[in-house]
Amino acid sequence: EAQVTQNPRYLITVTGKKLTVTCSQNMNHEYMSWYRQDPGLGLRQIYYSMNVEVTDKGDVPEGYKVSRKEKRNFPLILESPSPNQTSLYFCASSTRTEETQYFGPGTRLLVL
Amino acid sequence: QQPVQSPQAVILREGEDAVINCSSSKALYSVHWYRQKHGEAPVFLMILLKGGEQKGHEKISASFNEKKQQSSLYLTASQLSYSGTYFCGTEVRNGANSKLTFGKGITLSVRP
Repeated sequence: EAQVTQNPRYLITVTGKKLTVTCSQNMNHEYMSWYRQDPGLGLRQIYYSMNVEVTDKGDVPEGYKVSRKEKRNFPLILESPSPNQTSLYFCASSTRTEETQYFGPGTRLLVL
Repeated sequence: QQPVQSPQAVILREGEDAVINCSSSKALYSVHWYRQKHGEAPVFLMILLKGGEQKGHEKISASFNEKKQQSSLYLTASQLSYSGTYFCGTEVRNGANSKLTFGKGITLSVRP
């Protein structure tokens, strides 16, 4: 089944404790991206990647890191999480930017 | 820069029609439309490429006015299942680089 998976789905952590949210797709997509969703602010892009080893900042990259060592995986790293990073996070992938974006199920993060 | 969606919210009775708008200040290559149910990931509705085409999907259709950098989503004879948050995503290209940005979303509620 074609899908985008994210892990974990729910996470409660404390300020400053490094964490990684994984994203994996099985559709051989080149384009992958991370979004955060907050009430009233919609989907805001954190980082995106157009292919392996090619990543670029989105609109809200501060406090986040990403890597794209393999085509299928695009992990999101929070080196030192802060409470303002409490949010719902979505990973998405597609063949190209102008094609259908397939979203993962979301990761709900709470930083205390 | 996020595209601007209007109106902010829509409340309908079953069977009524609605129009949702999306506009950008930048020259667009494509416009995407997604619907998100509460607690779920956004789901693809349609994509319109530069060229001013209109697309349809059952009772939901959309248009893209390239000159005005505006897109509209038309929901005809709305059903209860149309309820959700509707996001438009606008793609801007700059050379080989391509960026997709989503709006804040519009909440649409269909009442019996």
